[in-house]
Amino acid sequence: GQNIDQPTEMTATEGAIVQINCTYQTSGFNGLFWYQQHAGEAPTFLSYNVLDGLEEKGRFSSFLSRSKGYSYLLLKELQMKDSASYLCAPLDSNYQLIWGAGTKLIIKP
Amino acid sequence: GAVVSQHPSWVICKSGTSVKIECRSLDFQATTMFWYRQFPKQSLMLMATSNEGSKATYEQGVEKDKFLINHASLTLSTLTVTSAHPEDSSFYICSARDIGGSDATEAFFGQGTRLTVV
Repeated sequence: GQNIDQPTEMTATEGAIVQINCTYQTSGFNGLFWYQQHAGEAPTFLSYNVLDGLEEKGRFSSFLSRSKGYSYLLLKELQMKDSASYLCAPLDSNYQLIWGAGTKLIIKP
Repeated sequence: GAVVSQHPSWVICKSGTSVKIECRSLDFQATTMFWYRQFPKQSLMLMATSNEGSKATYEQGVEKDKFLINHASLTLSTLTVTSAHPEDSSFYICSARDIGGSDATEAFFGQGTRLTVV
């Protein structure tokens, strides 16, 4: 079967760094997306990894290890507006996005 | 990134009536659009995949006669919730792929539609 495993909730302090881990099992693999979703809003694109390694984009970085079925999203210099849910979504062999429940990130002053 | 416009953003309707939700790709062509629903604090659930000019592919457990999908052009797909009931109240989100983009796998999302059936 297909499965996404992320922590349900994480708490971090403004200005700090947080790493959100994701392990996945899919039928085939065509890359992995990270999305941010604020409550009551649609997801917004953060990153896409298809090869192993680290992709850096400003304060956000995403890492992928295909052999381990593992990815993480690293958020630096946390701001209050980063409080949101973060969704790890791999693409399966049919290029369908597989969604987990996401990680709710709470930022405290 | 590409823009997907979804309308309306929110709608309240009476039980038994029908509601149409539109999803438009504004600056790109999308042969494939996806319709999701999301209940509070739950993950996105794919309802159906809509392909331009052909019938939509529905996920298991989704009633195709209740959730009518039309994808008549490369920039517009519609979802009609027929004979809506309170249990249909949810957040409906569409997404589309840019077939001409540098990364054809990326999906762009509309703003979502909050449907409340009373």
